[in-house]
Amino acid sequence: ILNVEQSPQSLHVQEGDSTNFTCSFPSSNFYALHWYRWETAKSPEALFVMTLNGDEKKKGRISATLNTKEGYSYLYIKGSQPEDSATYLCAPSGGSNYKLTFGKGTLLTVNP
Amino acid sequence: GAGVSQSPSNKVTEKGKDVELRCDPISGHTALYWYRQSLGQGLEFLIYFQGNSAPDKSGLPSDRFSAERTGGSVSTLTIQRTQQEDSAVYLCASSRGARETQYFGPGTRLLVL
Repeated sequence: ILNVEQSPQSLHVQEGDSTNFTCSFPSSNFYALHWYRWETAKSPEALFVMTLNGDEKKKGRISATLNTKEGYSYLYIKGSQPEDSATYLCAPSGGSNYKLTFGKGTLLTVNP
Repeated sequence: GAGVSQSPSNKVTEKGKDVELRCDPISGHTALYWYRQSLGQGLEFLIYFQGNSAPDKSGLPSDRFSAERTGGSVSTLTIQRTQQEDSAVYLCASSRGARETQYFGPGTRLLVL
């Protein structure tokens, strides 16, 4: 069982602020790292899948980096908007490749 | 196109009753997964189906839980003799293949009284 830690647990920011949060995971037997956004009463939405050390992905104002050697990934949101309010989940997959182990998530609240 | 759908969206049941949760994956997706999120916990893997292969049931928490996938499409997760600790959000996801991005349904919120 992979030990996946996300921090902080929750975060309140003002509209326009930039923010970031962390996902830590075991660096051994790593295959891929997935980031999801989960808004209340909606389906978790896939943001990024990252596999290579040093990978950086970007989607609009959201970007993510990956360090597989030390076992962490950062998610950045530039100029937060109220619609960014959601729980952000990370999930590494290991040798099985398909079984995702999710962290408990970071709950982001963006105040207008 | 249509995403993953799940039914019911909410289910309240009494302890000891059986419940059945349904998942309709995205058409053409060969892989299907069930997860659940209990209060204060992360999403927990339950079971994985891939094509005609034997499912990976390693995440099922007890023998009261079972799942099947008929015709490689719709899946049902059955919980027998429900307990209060079964209360959770049950999520289904599907993907084109084992290593592909998983697309989630909206979940079924189960409350066992």
